Amino acid sequence: GQNIDQPTEMTATEGAIVQINCTYQTSGFNGLFWYQQHAGEAPTFLSYNVLDGLEEKGRFSSFLSRSKGYSYLLLKELQMKDSASYLCAVPWEVFSGAGSYQLTFGKGTKLSVIP
Amino acid sequence: DTAVSQTPKYLVTQMGNDKSIKCEQNLGHDTMYWYKQDSKKFLKIMFSYNNKELIINETVPNRFSPKSPDKAHLNLHINSLELGDSAVYFCASSQLDRGRTGELFFGEGSRLTVL
Repeated sequence: GQNIDQPTEMTATEGAIVQINCTYQTSGFNGLFWYQQHAGEAPTFLSYNVLDGLEEKGRFSSFLSRSKGYSYLLLKELQMKDSASYLCAVPWEVFSGAGSYQLTFGKGTKLSVIP
Repeated sequence: DTAVSQTPKYLVTQMGNDKSIKCEQNLGHDTMYWYKQDSKKFLKIMFSYNNKELIINETVPNRFSPKSPDKAHLNLHINSLELGDSAVYFCASSQLDRGRTGELFFGEGSRLTVL
C-alpha cells in the first residue's frame, strides 16, 4: 500500500517563496508527481521526479529524496494566480509483480496567495 | 481539440436513479481512469482500465461499473444513486511505459448532485 502526507493549507504573500512538503510511504518506488488544481477545475501536471535532487521548471521546482521518502514543491515569485491546491501523487503497484500501476494522490495542500 | 472530454459537466438527479457519465480521449493513450473527488477535495481512484485489464479499487461499491466500448472511451455507469455519490468525477488517461504510469491528463470533471 501507500501513504501520502502533505499539509492541508498554507498561506503566503505575493512575490514570496513557498515550499510545500510531501512525505510518502510506498512499497516499490516509481517516481513522484506534483499536480496543480485550481478551484472548480481539473488537476494539471506540474512535475515528475524519479531521481534524487532538484528539478527546476521556471518559477516552480520539485525536489525528491528517495531515502527519506520526501519531496517538496518550491514556488518562487508567487503570483495571485498560484492560489490553488497542490497534489502530491505516487504510482503504486496494484498487484505485486504484475506491473500494473495506479496513481494515488495525497489530500492536497490548499495554497492561498495574499497581496 | 480537447484531449480528454467528459459529459455531462453537471448532473442533478434523484436518489435511486441510474446515470452514466461518458469519457473520450483523443491522445491515443492505452489506459483510462475514473477518479472521484469528494467535498473535502480528496481525489480518489475508482478504476483504471486498459485493453488488458480492469483494476477496481476495492472500496468502490458494485453499483459503479465502467464500460469501455473501445480504447478511446471509458464510460461510468452508476446504479441506484445514493446521496453519498454526490461528488465531482474526473476521467483521465495516460500512456503506460512498461507498466509505469506516465503523466495523467484529466477531463474537466462531471459534478454529480444526488437529491
